[in-house]
Amino acid sequence: GQQVMQIPQYQHVQEGEDFTTYCNSSTTLSNIQWYKQRPGGHPVFLIQLVKSGEVKKQKRLTFQFGEAKKNSSLHITATQTTDVGTYFCLRNNNDMRFGAGTRLTVKP
Amino acid sequence: DAGVIQSPRHEVTEMGQEVTLRCKPISGHNSLFWYRQTMMRGLELLIYFNNNVPIDDSGMPEDRFSAKMPNASFSTLKIQPSEPRDSAVYFCASSSFSEDTGELFFGEGSRLTVL
Repeated sequence: GQQVMQIPQYQHVQEGEDFTTYCNSSTTLSNIQWYKQRPGGHPVFLIQLVKSGEVKKQKRLTFQFGEAKKNSSLHITATQTTDVGTYFCLRNNNDMRFGAGTRLTVKP
Repeated sequence: DAGVIQSPRHEVTEMGQEVTLRCKPISGHNSLFWYRQTMMRGLELLIYFNNNVPIDDSGMPEDRFSAKMPNASFSTLKIQPSEPRDSAVYFCASSSFSEDTGELFFGEGSRLTVL
């Protein structure tokens, strides 16, 4: 069936290093959302991307939507310990299914 | 606004018992979602409702699971009989697709342990 594949599953970085997670779909997406879940918490909305080739920034976070609207990425510049958590993409094609998530740990 | 409210926050039960999880969505939201989260399977969509009507229940594991939304302010997810493999965190989320993003607002979750 239609799925969104998210990689990597885990990422461990040293504080100050960059981090990127990717989501890839076999079908064109109408839009894609990104969420962050802190350990023990619930997913919290970060952003939605709608337009082909769209790039949005939130402080150290950069979100991209591919030209074909089949892939997306979240990049964090100079990670901090507060960035720890699991980052999920969510496919919004009249359903709301999450990717597997990328768990980020940051070593101080 | 109080946000999405789920109860109970934690439940420990024995195999074979009935479990009922409850959710109160954000007032004015017209969509409600039930997700299950485990380490092995991640965040799985179980079912979602638009305007109190079930739209997609293809994620409901089997006949032991049922969900209802009798009105716009309340939904239940019932497991009968429960099994140890049902142990997970169950999240309810609501959304309003009339807003710009249709972002999901999650409750704190109900952590279920079936012994």
